[in-house]
Amino acid sequence: NAGVTQTPKFRILKIGQSMTLQCTQDMNHNYMYWYRQDPGMGLKLIYYSVGAGITDKGEVPNGYNVSRSTTEDFPLRLELAAPSQTSVYFCASSPGTGFNQPQHFGDGTRLSIL
Amino acid sequence: AQKVTQAQTEISVVEKEDVTLDCVYETRDTTYYLFWYKQPPSGELVFLIRRNSFDEQNEISGRYSWNFQKSTSSFNFTITASQVVDSAVYFCALKGGYSTLTFGKGTMLLVSP
Repeated sequence: NAGVTQTPKFRILKIGQSMTLQCTQDMNHNYMYWYRQDPGMGLKLIYYSVGAGITDKGEVPNGYNVSRSTTEDFPLRLELAAPSQTSVYFCASSPGTGFNQPQHFGDGTRLSIL
Repeated sequence: AQKVTQAQTEISVVEKEDVTLDCVYETRDTTYYLFWYKQPPSGELVFLIRRNSFDEQNEISGRYSWNFQKSTSSFNFTITASQVVDSAVYFCALKGGYSTLTFGKGTMLLVSP
């Protein structure tokens, strides 16, 4: 019953460092998503993927990159970390037709940029 | 553009009280989907319900009920006889047409014993 697994759960980065947030799902879902959640705000979509090899920008893609080489994995990369990227990051997946389906979320990664 | 408004930032109730969380949405699409998600203090997001724009029937699941009214563009969520375990942030979300999912800012519900 793993569902969507995110690693790490917590991370502190220095300004200018890079890192990759890992996300894997074992439900064979086509759609995968990355969101960020800032205090007092809803979730904002960063990137999404409709299947292996296909990715697209969401509402707030600047400063991030993604890849989708397999159905299971959807890593999110921060190339030059900035304080504005301090947030909680959620990965999610959904079956079939995507956004009109309920999304299954990971537990989140809390990232601080200092 | 689509929009979701959850005007109640925080609600505090005492256990066993009924509480309604409001959600008002905006979309130009005739076909759309509405969702509620729960985020307990542990942080994960849990799907509660999905409703499509052609189904205006209210739904009840145990102590939870949802009132969908297209005439007022609202999809409100009521918890009957609230319990401490209901304490969480609740998000309403909208997916219209070819758009991605738009979340409201959430309502924090605090249920005290």
